[in-house]
Amino acid sequence: DAKTTQPPSMDCAEGRAANLPCNHSTISGNEYVYWYRQIHSQGPQYIIHGLKNNETNEMASLIITEDRKSSTLILPHATLRDTAVYYCIVRVSSNTGKLIFGQGTTLQVKP
Amino acid sequence: NAGVTQTPKFQVLKTGQSMTLQCAQDMNHEYMSWYRQDPGMGLRLIHYSVGAGITDQGEVPNGYNVSRSTTEDFPLRLLSAAPSQTSVYFCASSSRGVNEKLFFGSGTQLSVL
Repeated sequence: DAKTTQPPSMDCAEGRAANLPCNHSTISGNEYVYWYRQIHSQGPQYIIHGLKNNETNEMASLIITEDRKSSTLILPHATLRDTAVYYCIVRVSSNTGKLIFGQGTTLQVKP
Repeated sequence: NAGVTQTPKFQVLKTGQSMTLQCAQDMNHEYMSWYRQDPGMGLRLIHYSVGAGITDQGEVPNGYNVSRSTTEDFPLRLLSAAPSQTSVYFCASSSRGVNEKLFFGSGTQLSVL
């Protein structure tokens, strides 16, 4: 699975969009980009994933660059409850159900 | 729908004791896995299973044992607890297929004295 690089921490004002970057310059053609978040020592929560195209769901949007070497998770209107550690994970659909987590980005949403 | 259930939520052991952390899921997921998370760190994979009777090692398997006799249950056994195993343990499950979204339990906080 490709390695990812994320900033260790970010701040965002409540109500503003939070844009969390992830670099995955060694990504392979069959590797997906997944995003999970962990709120204060709870179990991680799936947010979104994508292969090539941009994706949107009720929680967030995922923007993947054309060369797929980087992506951005967008929380359109961040709230205090979005304060969490966000993990970007790149992996193939390996039919194993396992994930390898990095250090993630701690997002602090401030009033 | 309970999802992924872990028991106990908290546990204190003495060095050398053994115990089993329980994990059960009611979503009929084929895949299950165990992770540990040390303070201020990301999650590390201990063991995983792709179906009943099939298990494999993850990044940090030493000192832990698993079995998968049913689709629903995936217990994690600490054979002889050590202080280095003080951590929060998370169990996860997911279905087969390209999406493979993981659902996590709420965790077991383990302290080994």
